[in-house]
Amino acid sequence: LAKTTQPISMDSYEGQEVNITCSHNNIATNDYITWYQQFPSQGPRFIIQGYKTKVTNEVASLFIPADRKSSTLSLPRVSLSDTAVYYCLVGDYGSWGKLQFGAGTQVVVTP
Amino acid sequence: DTGVSQDPRHKITKRGQNVTFRCDPISEHNRLYWYRQTLGQGPEFLTYFQNEAQLEKSRLLSDRFSAERPKGSFSTLEIQRTEQGDSAMYLCASSLALQKDTGELFFGEGSRLTVL
Repeated sequence: LAKTTQPISMDSYEGQEVNITCSHNNIATNDYITWYQQFPSQGPRFIIQGYKTKVTNEVASLFIPADRKSSTLSLPRVSLSDTAVYYCLVGDYGSWGKLQFGAGTQVVVTP
Repeated sequence: DTGVSQDPRHKITKRGQNVTFRCDPISEHNRLYWYRQTLGQGPEFLTYFQNEAQLEKSRLLSDRFSAERPKGSFSTLEIQRTEQGDSAMYLCASSLALQKDTGELFFGEGSRLTVL
């Protein structure tokens, strides 16, 4: 399984865009990149998944460069409720559900 | 509420006692997963089921841990002879395994275990 590296923490103000970059240098051809969000005392929640280029949904965007060795989760115009831990995971179809989450990135949004 | 439910939400026990956690997945989901999460760390995979078959166990799942999913519906995770190191949040997740799906996991709110 590809190892991922992401910042331990990031601070932001309300209304700003938050970009979290995840490094995955040994990503394999069949691997997808998936991001989860976790609030205190809750289970993680799926945010977005992508394979290459750009993926956007109602919550976030995921940017993946051509070499796929990194990816950036973009949260537009964050609010206080976006304060959470964000996890980047990399794996293929056969490893869904067995991925190790790592320590994630703690995002703190302040007024 | 049609999400994943876990019971109990909190459990305090003394070292050496046995504890059991229950997970009820989303009804149409055929895959069920157990994770453990300690403070400041991300969830760690323990085991998963497809229907009633337990397909994989992590090396983290010592012989004091056992999981079952009779009839492919709810699941139980039992920890025998608990140790203080077992104190953690135990998370259950479920998914509907489809070919080349996103693999999105739906997590419950977890069962927090404190071993005194």
